[in-house]
Amino acid sequence: DQQVKQNSPSLSVQEGRISILNCDYTNSMFDYFLWYKKYPAEGPTFLISISSIKDKNEDGRFTVFLNKSAKHLSLHIVPSQPGDSAVYFCANSGGYQKVTFGTGTKLQVIP
Amino acid sequence: GAGVSQSPRYKVAKRGQDVALRCDPISGHVSLFWYQQALGQGPEFLTYFQNEAQLDKSGLPSDRFFAERPEGSVSTLKIQRTQQEDSAVYLCASSLDRFNSPLHFGNGTRLTVT
Repeated sequence: DQQVKQNSPSLSVQEGRISILNCDYTNSMFDYFLWYKKYPAEGPTFLISISSIKDKNEDGRFTVFLNKSAKHLSLHIVPSQPGDSAVYFCANSGGYQKVTFGTGTKLQVIP
Repeated sequence: GAGVSQSPRYKVAKRGQDVALRCDPISGHVSLFWYQQALGQGPEFLTYFQNEAQLDKSGLPSDRFFAERPEGSVSTLKIQRTQQEDSAVYLCASSLDRFNSPLHFGNGTRLTVT
């Protein structure tokens, strides 16, 4: 069964520094890995994705790294801003887009 | 450009009652998903529609859960004889097509069963 694991339930980072959120997965048979961001009382919003044929994708302050040999995914946010404070979910997707989510990491960026 | 709309925003039901949760996807979006999010967990897949066809309902936890999308637009998730373990946020998401388009989520319906 596919599993996506986020082992850190929370992370605190000083404004302007780098935030690194980590994710491990167990099943390699997926096309896409994604990060979603969620504010309280709102639905998740798509942040960035990476195809399994790549090892890095960058979008502004956000970069996602994929290490297929280690089955590890990470999201880097540089520089971190207070508005980045949210819960971040990693996820993977295959086939018709059935997306499987991790349990989330709550990021707090301290001004 | 309205996003995905879900109603009601909050629902309190007594155990044993039936509930119906509504989802209005973004106009023109082919795919529609229902997810269940328990407190402190990530969203868990319930079911998937492509237009009006329900192609995957493998995540529905029991036969008390039923979803429909009769005209390929609005969808309703119905839970019969609600139980306390059904308490969760129910999220609806839609996407434009099946080729790895990002999911657009609504703000969810928080269901509390007392």
